[in-house]
Amino acid sequence: DVKVTQSSRYLVKRTGEKVFLECVQDMDHENMFWYRQDPGLGLRLIYFSYDVKMKEKGDIPEGYSVSREKKERFSLILESASTNQTSMYLCASSSSTVSNYGYTFGSGTRLTVV
Amino acid sequence: KNQVEQSPQSLIILEGKNCTLQCNYTVSPFSNLRWYKQDTGRGPVSLTIMTFSENTKSNGRYTATLDADTKQSSLHITASQLSDSASYICVVSSTGAGSYQLTFGKGTKLSVIP
Repeated sequence: DVKVTQSSRYLVKRTGEKVFLECVQDMDHENMFWYRQDPGLGLRLIYFSYDVKMKEKGDIPEGYSVSREKKERFSLILESASTNQTSMYLCASSSSTVSNYGYTFGSGTRLTVV
Repeated sequence: KNQVEQSPQSLIILEGKNCTLQCNYTVSPFSNLRWYKQDTGRGPVSLTIMTFSENTKSNGRYTATLDADTKQSSLHITASQLSDSASYICVVSSTGAGSYQLTFGKGTKLSVIP
């Protein structure tokens, strides 16, 4: 089974801190994604990556950046955390951009910014 | 604009009863449709994936249907168990012009009570 591992289940950070959320997948997938999930809004795409050192903005990239230095690892960076970034963050990976085969989510990181 | 609408927003049923969740979509061009189960505080887990040519797909007590003509899907849960309490998310995949896109529904929150 594909495993997508997010480094933290729960995280509490102060306003203005730089925050790193890490995601690692073990199935050699080319594609990786970061979403945030908020009540009543569903999942919204922040950034995605088709390959190492490649990134593309999703629907809500403002206030975030990403890094993909290795194929298996995709990091989400909050440059200066704000309270409106309190949310559930979900990482996902997939092996194909056409059939979406094997699109798998991590367990999520619940981030609280105080 | 691509959209996925799920109904009902929430549902409470007695243990052992059946239920059906609905998903209507306006996504073009259509690639496939997935149903995910998301336990509280966890990442979504895939239940089924259906392409244009598939009408029905089962995964244990879960049966998904797809009517590509009317752009509707349903998820039927048979003999519900307490562990079925979760949010169920419908996700439709679209491909076109070399791009990759998933459209998420906001989910149906199912509560199974004894």
